[in-house]
Amino acid sequence: DVVMTQSPLSLPVTLGQSASISCRSSQSLVYSDGNTYLNWFQQRPGQSPRRLIYKVSNRDSGVPDRFSGSGSGTDFTLKISRVEAEDVGVYYCMQGTHWPWTFGQGTKVEIK
Amino acid sequence: QVQLQQSGPGLVKPSQTLSLTCAISGDSVSSSSAAWNWIRQSPSRGLEWLGRTYYNSKWFNDYTMSVKSRITINPDTSKNQFSLQLNSVTPEDTAVYYCARSVIGSGSRGSFDCWGQGTLVTVSS
Repeated sequence: DVVMTQSPLSLPVTLGQSASISCRSSQSLVYSDGNTYLNWFQQRPGQSPRRLIYKVSNRDSGVPDRFSGSGSGTDFTLKISRVEAEDVGVYYCMQGTHWPWTFGQGTKVEIK
Repeated sequence: QVQLQQSGPGLVKPSQTLSLTCAISGDSVSSSSAAWNWIRQSPSRGLEWLGRTYYNSKWFNDYTMSVKSRITINPDTSKNQFSLQLNSVTPEDTAVYYCARSVIGSGSRGSFDCWGQGTLVTVSS
């Protein structure tokens, strides 16, 4: 199975500052169709995961433009600009290129 | 918009069968552009995709190898829902179980755009 490794696992941030989460895959996530199926999910306390980003950098409807995704191949980043209190939660990367689809272990974002 | 509503027992005895249902509104279980998935989350295993069912001229299923011998995901077109059955459960199957939709088709793969509310299932006698 493809292993997704996130860092850091815990990320204290100051309100209004930016935060970056790294995600690395054990294999390239470029699929045979040329797309890279790398997603980012946010899980707020007590809630189900919510997709923020798909195919590396495409934001879902309703997701603030403070969230952005980038990367290629095996290295990916989620950036949160101007962190707000509502951004507290755990963030997961997930690959949909190789069977079975797999998730990273999560990065907990908290306010300092 | 699409909504998924889960139901099922929160406590299952060891060696018995875990059964959950996910009712769909705003889409169809028979849609040719969607697959219907089960995912679980536990402190020890994190988020783990379990399997999916989808319709493309006929019904298909895909399951992850770790539970393939014990899992069944079935559509119910009459009620527009799908179900999860996991046999011979052990305490290691204790987790929050989620149903989720993934879009399928050209340029779409391996992504969950809508999730159910989650069901904590505890395996204990």
